[in-house]
Amino acid sequence: AQSVTQLDSQVPVFEEAPVELRCNYSSSVSVYLFWYVQYPNQGLQLLLKYLSGSTLVKGINGFEAEFNKSQTSFHLRKPSVHISDTAEYFCAVSGAGTALIFGKGTTLSVSS
Amino acid sequence: ETGVTQSPTHLIKTRGQQVTLRCSSQSGHNTVSWYQQALGQGPQFIFQYYREEENGRGNFPPRFSGLQFPNYSSELNVNALELDDSALYLCASSLSWSSYNEQFFGPGTRLTVL
Repeated sequence: AQSVTQLDSQVPVFEEAPVELRCNYSSSVSVYLFWYVQYPNQGLQLLLKYLSGSTLVKGINGFEAEFNKSQTSFHLRKPSVHISDTAEYFCAVSGAGTALIFGKGTTLSVSS
Repeated sequence: ETGVTQSPTHLIKTRGQQVTLRCSSQSGHNTVSWYQQALGQGPQFIFQYYREEENGRGNFPPRFSGLQFPNYSSELNVNALELDDSALYLCASSLSWSSYNEQFFGPGTRLTVL
């Protein structure tokens, strides 16, 4: 069975500061990894995904993530955040099947 | 290109009632997945439909059932509603069933059970 742990439930940060949202996963099989963002009263939007190949994945809105197989991690980073990045962020894992397994989410709060 | 749409936006029901939620998939997508997102939690997989057949199910009781129609739109039905069924229900469509295909999410239906 697969599982996802998002290590921080809330991350407050000032505008233009760097941010890292941490995600660890557990799986006995090869996985696909995803980060989604959810703005208030909206559905989820895909930020980036790792399927195979380069372990550094670049996504939309200046986000990137690094897949680390030995540490079973897939941390999300952005070098300089904006107020508009305030949202809920979800890490998700999937094996060869159909379902996405999500973490509980990290609330990113960006203030000026 | 129209994205994934869901109806209704909000719904209030009482315990024991039945509810039907609807989802229209994105053009060209033949797969629909449903998720339940309780307050403060990540989405949990309910089931997936691929070309009108159930193609995977999460740990939800049989009172959660679904349908997919020839145009690939989908319904989620919940019978004998319980208070714990209060949640945001998300529908996602994708090009095919495998999880490496990006799932495009709708805005969700907020269900409140009193």
